[in-house]
Amino acid sequence: DTGVSQDPRHKITKRGQNVTFRCDPISEHNRLYWYRQTLGQGPEFLTYFQNEAQLEKSRLLSDRFSAERPKGSFSTLEIQRTEQGDSAMYLCASSFTHYEQYFGPGTRLTVT
Amino acid sequence: GIQVEQSPPDLILQEGANSTLRCNFSDSVNNLQWFHQNPWGQLINLFYIPSGTKQNGRLSATTVATERYSLLYISSSQTTDSGVYFCAASYNDMRFGAGTRLTVKP
Repeated sequence: DTGVSQDPRHKITKRGQNVTFRCDPISEHNRLYWYRQTLGQGPEFLTYFQNEAQLEKSRLLSDRFSAERPKGSFSTLEIQRTEQGDSAMYLCASSFTHYEQYFGPGTRLTVT
Repeated sequence: GIQVEQSPPDLILQEGANSTLRCNFSDSVNNLQWFHQNPWGQLINLFYIPSGTKQNGRLSATTVATERYSLLYISSSQTTDSGVYFCAASYNDMRFGAGTRLTVKP
């Protein structure tokens, strides 16, 4: 078991560009979660999937954000037309149903 | 959604001291976890404890679900215990507290 992996680990982009992050969960986990963490704050829930179905989305997930988990395995999070306020650490986690969540190392996004 | 409050926000200890971190949550949960976030941002799982008591070395945790709080105990603290400790609770979507920043001085 290799744990939750995320790619890339760091991303620097210019305002207005689109970015896409990938998360590979622990293989036997059916739930996958995305969170965002800004400096000095706790992680904030964005969305989660059970298998390929997106079951809940936070109001933080504006129209510029979209997440997919097409085959119930890996997931992508895309941010369109990035803004400086999108700069944050994006964290992915996985679990088996509602049980213990395990987090990946995160993708740190900087929008210049 | 569930509201999670942690106290204290900051805690400074001398090495060897004991400490208790508290987490209050606003609603029924089926998941409660304690994490330690390392300087690189990785969340390290400490306890999955929606109810009851668990111990792991110098750390232990207790959740009283009926009273909607959880406690994390750190005994004989070491400088390597320094960092931010988060409590997170969920029924489906997990909500984090603002964290307790622990500094252990040698």
